[in-house]
This record gives sequence, structure tokens and C-alpha cells, in this order.
Amino acid sequence: TQLLEQSPQFLSIQEGENLTVYCNSSSVFSSLQWYRQEPGEGPVLLVTVVTGGEVKKLKRLTFQFGDARKDSSLHITAAQPGDTGLYLCAGDNAGNMLTFGGGTRLMVKP
Amino acid sequence: NAGVTQTPKFQVLKTGQSMTLQCAQDMNHEYMSWYRQDPGMGLRLIHYSVGAGITDQGEVPNGYNVSRSTTEDFPLRLLSAAPSQTSVYFCASSDTGTGGNEQFFGPGTRLTVL
Repeated sequence: TQLLEQSPQFLSIQEGENLTVYCNSSSVFSSLQWYRQEPGEGPVLLVTVVTGGEVKKLKRLTFQFGDARKDSSLHITAAQPGDTGLYLCAGDNAGNMLTFGGGTRLMVKP
Repeated sequence: NAGVTQTPKFQVLKTGQSMTLQCAQDMNHEYMSWYRQDPGMGLRLIHYSVGAGITDQGEVPNGYNVSRSTTEDFPLRLLSAAPSQTSVYFCASSDTGTGGNEQFFGPGTRLTVL
């Protein structure tokens, strides 16, 4: 079974601060996705990274896929209360099964 | 498009009861899947289907059955509910499997087994 470890599990910060969330595994993934989930709703895709070393930006969010395709990070610049939610990474092993990390619950206080 | 719909939104069962969680999508997606979400454990794959008539087991399939008679519907059956099955269940669909494809999730069913 492939495992994805996310850290930290919980993060509470003030508006305007920067933060980084990590997603690590000992397994290689063909692609890795980041989802955001709000209370009472299903996860929604933020980004997919496919190539080792790839960096993608989505406004104030920067996603990076590790060179060996075993890890990824999500960096948020100048966090806002609207960024509050549960962030999930998910790795694909090209076998039609996604493996999800345990999630990082982010709270951004005004 | 309604996307992925799930019913019911909430359900309380007694140990040993059976029930079916419904999932439907109107995007003509071939791939559908069921996950359960427990605190601190992210989402774990229960069963998935790559097309009508084809299903396969995920990471935690025990206690659950599925079938896929149409492209649109993918129901999840609990034959004899147990307290360990208390969880939030999400159905998802995508165009053609997981290979980097966006998974579209339903709003979830919160199940409590007493």
C-alpha cells in the first residue's frame, strides 16, 4: 500500500502570513494532485503536477513536485481567510487508484 | 449539469441493517469511485469502476458491495452495517480513470451506525 504523509496536520495562522504544506511518500507517483475541501462539501481540484521538479502557480498558491516524484509541497503567500479549509494531496500510481494523504486543516484568522 | 449527486445526505443505521448509498453523474464519465473519509485519515478508496459492468476493489472494500449497470449510476451497498462503517462517504467521477484526471466529487453522505 502506498502511503502519503502530510504535514502539518493542523495550521492556524494570521491573515497575511505565508505557509507551506508538505506531502511526502517513499513511493513514486506518476502524477500528484492537490485538492481543497470545505466543510460539508466534497474536495475540489486545485492542481495536477506530472513532471518531476515541476512548479505550478495558481494566484497566491505555488505547487511543486519533487524531482523524484515522491513528494510535493504547497506554498501559500499572504494567506487570506478565504484560504481556510482542508488541503489534501493525492498520488496516482497509474493503476486507476488514487492514494490520499491525511490532510492539512488550515485556519486563517483575520 | 448537476455534476455528481449523492443521496441521502445523512443516514443513521442500527448495527446489522442494510442500505444503499446512491451516486449518479451526468457528465458521461467512464470512471467512478467511492471513498470514505475519517478524521485524520484523508480519503480511502473503497471500490471503483472503469466503465459499465466493470468494478474493482480499492484499499478498504470489506463490508461493501458495488455494481455498475449504467454509465450514470454507481450505488454502494452495505449488507450488514457495523459501527466501524460510521464515516462520511464520497462518490467521485472522472473522464477516463485516475491518470492525472480531475476527480469530481459529490457532496457526501454522512453515515452513523449505532
